[in-house]
Amino acid sequence: DAKTTQPTSMDCAEGRAANLPCNHSTISGNEYVYWYRQIHSQGPQYIIHGLKNNETNEMASLIITEDRKSSTLILPHATLRDTAVYYCIVFPNTGKLIFGQGTTLQVKP
Amino acid sequence: GAVVSQHPSWVICKSGTSVKIECRSLDFQATTMFWYRQFPKQSLMLMATSNEGSKATYEQGVEKDKFLINHASLTLSTLTVTSAHPEDSSFYICSASQGTPWEKLFFGSGTQLSVL
Repeated sequence: DAKTTQPTSMDCAEGRAANLPCNHSTISGNEYVYWYRQIHSQGPQYIIHGLKNNETNEMASLIITEDRKSSTLILPHATLRDTAVYYCIVFPNTGKLIFGQGTTLQVKP
Repeated sequence: GAVVSQHPSWVICKSGTSVKIECRSLDFQATTMFWYRQFPKQSLMLMATSNEGSKATYEQGVEKDKFLINHASLTLSTLTVTSAHPEDSSFYICSASQGTPWEKLFFGSGTQLSVL
């Protein structure tokens, strides 16, 4: 299964865009990139996913590089409620979602 | 979005007793459910994959006789921690797959188990 690498932690000022990077250099052609976040003591929340093209929804935007070896999750206007652990996951053919360590995003006033 | 309900939210039990955790998909049929365990300040660890009507598939190192999983219907999976011990204390989370494996997973709110 493709492995992902994310920074351990990041800070972001409230109201600014939060850009969370993820490396997935061993991703296969038919594997999707998924992003979830987990607020303390809750179940993970789905944010967005994509295959090749950039994606946008009401929560965030996902930018995937042309070679698909990395991606960036963008929260356009971070709020204090966006403070959470963000997981970038490659969804393999096995269908099992394997979580890495994720990035702890701290949004500061 | 789809909703996955997990109960109880927290449970405290004595060592040696068994605890059952329920995971329900409220507005969709979940052909596959997953069970995770999470220790403090750590990531989620996949325990097992549960398919409706068949035996669960356990990840390496997870004792299938200790963590009994039943997926009797398309909307309900249960995890029973048998003869619980303090080291089983953890945050247990279920997730359900809507559609094929390519679709997004929806997660329950988790169950905090404390074994005294």
